[in-house]
Amino acid sequence: QSGLTQPPSVSGAPGQRVTISCTGSSSDIGAGYDVHWYQQLPGAAPQLLIYGNNNRPSGVPDRFSGSQSGTSASLAITGLQAEDEADYYCQSYDTSLYVVFGGGTKLTVL
Amino acid sequence: QVQLQESGPGLVKPSETLSLTCSVSGDSISRGFFYWSWIRQSPGKALEFIGYIYNSGTPYYSPSLKSRVSISIDTSKMQFSLKLKSVTAADTAVYYCARTTTRNYVDFWGQGTLVTVSS
Repeated sequence: QSGLTQPPSVSGAPGQRVTISCTGSSSDIGAGYDVHWYQQLPGAAPQLLIYGNNNRPSGVPDRFSGSQSGTSASLAITGLQAEDEADYYCQSYDTSLYVVFGGGTKLTVL
Repeated sequence: QVQLQESGPGLVKPSETLSLTCSVSGDSISRGFFYWSWIRQSPGKALEFIGYIYNSGTPYYSPSLKSRVSISIDTSKMQFSLKLKSVTAADTAVYYCARTTTRNYVDFWGQGTLVTVSS
């Protein structure tokens, strides 16, 4: 059983740009399946942040953007704000595992 | 706006069966284009996919849990359910029910319910 790999933590000062990587394999991201991102604030359920690699649901600020290339994807957050401090999860599809999640990345705003 | 609400016991004894129900409002559970999912999160850990079910009743389970899990759907009650048998302390987690699109992303989540496995 495998999943997607994310850095455990990232940090940045207010106003800065941070990126969170998500590495998969040839059976998930590399097979052409979309990558999606979720934000989980402390004590709350996850919320959809990016779907289909680079699409934002209504209400998500354009400070958040996603990209995908090969077997990896990235989430970028520009103009970092204190309210962005949360856990972030990437997710894709695997033909054997169905839904696969990353291990999560804790974003700290310094 | 779709709303999902988990319900069920918050405490289950080891070796017994965990049973949860998710009640859906704001959308017809029998409408196509969506899978109805169960996802869990152990304390301090990452999200883990348990399985999902289509409105036709066809379930798809995570291989790691397949031998112990069962997901069913009752479209007349606008509910779908999870059963996880032979639980251990490792099954202690917040269990979320969710709506998953056919593009395989979750667009709506329940608030989650903590289930503790302990004697």
